Amino acid sequence: DAGVIQSPRHEVTEMGQEVTLRCKPISGHNSLFWYRQTMMRGLELLIYFNNNVPIDDSGMPEDRFSAKMPNASFSTLKIQPSEPRDSAVYFCASSPGQGLYEQYFGPGTRLTVT
Amino acid sequence: AQSVAQPEDQVNVAEGNPLTVKCTYSVSGNPYLFWYVQYPNRGLQFLLKYITGDNLVKGSYGFEAEFNKSQTSFHLKKPSALVSDSALYFCALNAGNNRKLIWGLGTSLGVNP
Repeated sequence: DAGVIQSPRHEVTEMGQEVTLRCKPISGHNSLFWYRQTMMRGLELLIYFNNNVPIDDSGMPEDRFSAKMPNASFSTLKIQPSEPRDSAVYFCASSPGQGLYEQYFGPGTRLTVT
Repeated sequence: AQSVAQPEDQVNVAEGNPLTVKCTYSVSGNPYLFWYVQYPNRGLQFLLKYITGDNLVKGSYGFEAEFNKSQTSFHLKKPSALVSDSALYFCALNAGNNRKLIWGLGTSLGVNP
């Protein structure tokens, strides 16, 4: 299996621009998670989906962030407009289910907003 | 409220010595506990988990963890550390009922040759 695939691996953009991060979960996994990692705040869960339905988006920092999962094999995290404080590594993870199952992480997207 | 604490930001050990990375938790129901490792510029990798049963759980790369209900701890251990074990280690808790994982802040492990 190819594992969780994320693109792009690196993104540099200017403040105010729209940023779209992409994730392809492991085939057969029905839960998908978006995380953000920074030195200051550590690992934060932004949102997670189960069977393509958003279950908990309480970690989404503000309305500038949105996430979609149109089908079982694709999800996007969008930031519009981006700000320098959004600079972080964004991880996507998938798991066979909720709760007791381990999560499999992608390699991450390193976002820099100047 | 459910929470996870990793009381040490950094742990340093000599290669060949045993290592312990500490994790304590607080939960009202049954805890389901996980350890993950993150190597530089990589995503997190699952090491092991405790769901029920034997308190000593064995995982990947020779790691094991001991669940201690009375001390509400789930410390990660390895009998003999390798330089390649140097990484960031995360403990995580799931309180059941399909809830999301609650993550510790991570412990940076350095193994000196």
